[in-house]
Amino acid sequence: DGGITQSPKYLFRKEGQNVTLSCEQNLNHDAMYWYRQDPGQGLRLIYYSQIVNDFQKGDIAEGYSVSREKKESFPLTVTSAQKNPTAFYLCASSIDPRGDTQYFGPGTRLTVL
Amino acid sequence: AQSVTQPDIHITVSEGASLELRCNYSYGATPYLFWYVQSPGQGLQLLLKYFSGDTLVQGIKGFEAEFKRSQSSFNLRKPSVHWSDAAEYFCAVGALGGYQKVTFGTGTKLQVIP
Repeated sequence: DGGITQSPKYLFRKEGQNVTLSCEQNLNHDAMYWYRQDPGQGLRLIYYSQIVNDFQKGDIAEGYSVSREKKESFPLTVTSAQKNPTAFYLCASSIDPRGDTQYFGPGTRLTVL
Repeated sequence: AQSVTQPDIHITVSEGASLELRCNYSYGATPYLFWYVQSPGQGLQLLLKYFSGDTLVQGIKGFEAEFKRSQSSFNLRKPSVHWSDAAEYFCAVGALGGYQKVTFGTGTKLQVIP
């Protein structure tokens, strides 16, 4: 079964700690994305990657970092510099980045204690 | 810059009634348009998309949407709503050529009552 997996489903972090969210896809898609979702605000783009070893900042990249060492994987690190990290994080991928359909993972809910 | 407006934050319909969710977009050229659905605590699932051609697009789960260029709209419709349709619905706009991010609306939460 092809798809996108995100782990863990729920994540708790103490203030001041960095945490990494996993995103893996076996769809052979070139492009991958990270979004943050807060109630009433829709989806906001954090980072995107069009190809391996390349990634670009989205609208709200401050306090986040990513890597794209493999086509299948696009982990997101929420650093201690992110002022308000509690949110629902969604990973997505598309065949190519040129406005194509995005396919989403199930999401990770991060709560900072 | 492109943008999407979903004017209804929350809509309640009775089971069996018809449904229309509104979406207005702003983009200078011909857009790519999408409707996604999200169940609580889950990811987004694509319902349908418009890239070109016939302006009436059929999707999964009995949904359809109509692209109206003159009104910059892409409203989602369903003739008869089922209780399982209760979810949040997102309209999104993208564009062909180069990298153009997909912009999502703020969503419309649908409640279905018996």
